[in-house]
Amino acid sequence: GAGVSQTPSNKVTEKGKYVELRCDPISGHTALYWYRQSLGQGPEFLIYFQGTGAADDSGLPNDRFFAVRPEGSVSTLKIQRTERGDSAVYLCASSFSTGADTQYFGPGTRLTVL
Amino acid sequence: AQKVTQAQTEISVVEKEDVTLDCVYETRDTTYYLFWYKQPPSGELVFLIRRNSFDEQNEISGRYSWNFQKSTSSFNFTITASQVVDSAVYFCALMTGANSKLTFGKGITLSVRP
Repeated sequence: GAGVSQTPSNKVTEKGKYVELRCDPISGHTALYWYRQSLGQGPEFLIYFQGTGAADDSGLPNDRFFAVRPEGSVSTLKIQRTERGDSAVYLCASSFSTGADTQYFGPGTRLTVL
Repeated sequence: AQKVTQAQTEISVVEKEDVTLDCVYETRDTTYYLFWYKQPPSGELVFLIRRNSFDEQNEISGRYSWNFQKSTSSFNFTITASQVVDSAVYFCALMTGANSKLTFGKGITLSVRP
């Protein structure tokens, strides 16, 4: 079946602009995760959803970052007033449920803030 | 707090050599899960294996094998008879029983030369 998909694959924006990154999980997966990967580093957790609600948003770096999953499927990560330090690859993953279920990752969105 | 250490940053081998990628983890939880992911040049994280803390049996899958030792908090990954297609960044990750987020190591870049 189809894997996790993310759009856009690349996003270039200017400092101070607003961006939205979209994630479409594997069909039937109730849990959805966002991670951020900086160059040469491992992915770092941002937030995860079980259904429509954010179960843990402890990894969001500040209040410029926000994510939603209104219908329990597609999720959007929103970044306001982007800064150059936000440049990274944003990865989305989904799993059948939370707990110990394996997370399957999408191809990521490469965000570049000029 | 949990932590994953991948002390090796880059490894280069010649095709058909065996190579072992080291992973050391830290957690105070008694229930936890360990993972290995592969990130080829295309960028998408590919799931390889998951082990839980109650199962120390080693596992073999084709040319891949994993050695889990709780006594040394290690979960090492060996590729036998390496191939050029094994060239990638390999991440070890930890999930504790208390939450669903993955904590990744910094990754090991493996280059297999023909």
